[in-house]
Amino acid sequence: RKEVEQDPGPFNVPEGATVAFNCTYSNSASQSFFWYRQDCRKEPKLLMSVYSSGNEDGRFTAQLNRASQYISLLIRDSKLSDSATYLCVVSLNTGGFKTIFGAGTRLFVKA
Amino acid sequence: DAGVIQSPRHEVTEMGQEVTLRCKPISGHDYLFWYRQTMMRGLELLIYFNNNVPIDDSGMPEDRFSAKMPNASFSTLKIQPSEPRDSAVYFCASSLATGGAGVAGDNTQYFGPGTRLTVL
Repeated sequence: RKEVEQDPGPFNVPEGATVAFNCTYSNSASQSFFWYRQDCRKEPKLLMSVYSSGNEDGRFTAQLNRASQYISLLIRDSKLSDSATYLCVVSLNTGGFKTIFGAGTRLFVKA
Repeated sequence: DAGVIQSPRHEVTEMGQEVTLRCKPISGHDYLFWYRQTMMRGLELLIYFNNNVPIDDSGMPEDRFSAKMPNASFSTLKIQPSEPRDSAVYFCASSLATGGAGVAGDNTQYFGPGTRLTVL
């Protein structure tokens, strides 16, 4: 089993739609959680951190469920510019710092 | 700030040649990471440094790979000899702190634009 698993997609949605991605992680000692966005042939960039209480940034909402070991990202009113790959990221300290990136979920938003 | 700077942006070389990738982290960042990204394996952490000291190189694929950080503003990733299976995009990233528990926002990793390596 992969340490961080995501549905690779692609998700094809029309503009204005709401879309949700889930991510599961295997190590219960994981401490920090993030969503990164990666555009085609570009570097990953932080989209948002994920906190236990859940957090929202404009059209984006992230949730963390430690008991079930999954993280979610909800995008409301999707825009064409939201088309990208969304990477789930988990960090933990196991005597040394460790960051694990999921393989990413591809999103295509169409007019 | 110019962000993380990597060079070269593209490298095409022949099998057996030595390849050196370079990275300049964001000034003031204590952590520097080297990643490799391929379609098959996704984004993999190769090695990371804290205050110029290598902390975890367990992701380095084999002895052909080596990384150094002689000072706070420069790091290299060297492959010698290179092989076709090393073809990938290599990213360098830096952060103020680790991704563990800490002040929110301080552990964001900022990535450079990457070096696209093709080994023929």
